[in-house]
Amino acid sequence: KAGVTQTPRYLIKTRGQQVTLSCSPISGHRSVSWYQQTPGQGLQFLFEYFSETQRNKGNFPGRFSGRQFSNSRSEMNVSTLELGDSALYLCASSLASSGGFNNEQFFGPGTRLTVL
Amino acid sequence: DAKTTQPTSMDCAEGRAANLPCNHSTISGNEYVYWYRQIHSQGPQYIIHGLKNNETNEMASLIITEDRKSSTLILPHATLRDTAVYYCIVRVGQYGSGNTGKLIFGQGTTLQVKP
Repeated sequence: KAGVTQTPRYLIKTRGQQVTLSCSPISGHRSVSWYQQTPGQGLQFLFEYFSETQRNKGNFPGRFSGRQFSNSRSEMNVSTLELGDSALYLCASSLASSGGFNNEQFFGPGTRLTVL
Repeated sequence: DAKTTQPTSMDCAEGRAANLPCNHSTISGNEYVYWYRQIHSQGPQYIIHGLKNNETNEMASLIITEDRKSSTLILPHATLRDTAVYYCIVRVGQYGSGNTGKLIFGQGTTLQVKP
């Protein structure tokens, strides 16, 4: 079974631009979560999507947004990029069967975003 | 904030057991202990999880104290490829309303396996 895939793997943008990152979960997984990893703050939760609905959101400004499609693929968007948005952006998928055990999350390789 | 406390770093000799401790004194009755690791510049990898019984899989063993306030991840025969940052996380196990796919990571333990 293919793992979580993220595109692109590397991205360079300039301040003020916007960016869209894509995540394809493992087949059959319905939950997709996004995380930001920086050297200073570590791994921080951005948001989670389940059945095309945002289920939870971390403490990030409104410039960070996301969505999930009917096939469970997800995108996240960052508008008006700032230098501090340079980070590794990770997505994770899980089975998340309703009412059942909260299955472990499987992470993708991440997208390395550099803002100049 | 993370509900776990881990040592910042540890060393282990190749071939020996690596024992990584984690304190989670405020863990709730319905929270599980999960372990992930992150090899440099890769996405975190799930290792193991448990509620109150000791658990073992092909990667590691998890020992949870009887009061559930601490746990130890054991890599029985560490190799150089086990060099990574290891994260201990507590989270609610059952998926339902209010419980979502959110992992709260602490700073983790950097394990250095040496030849």
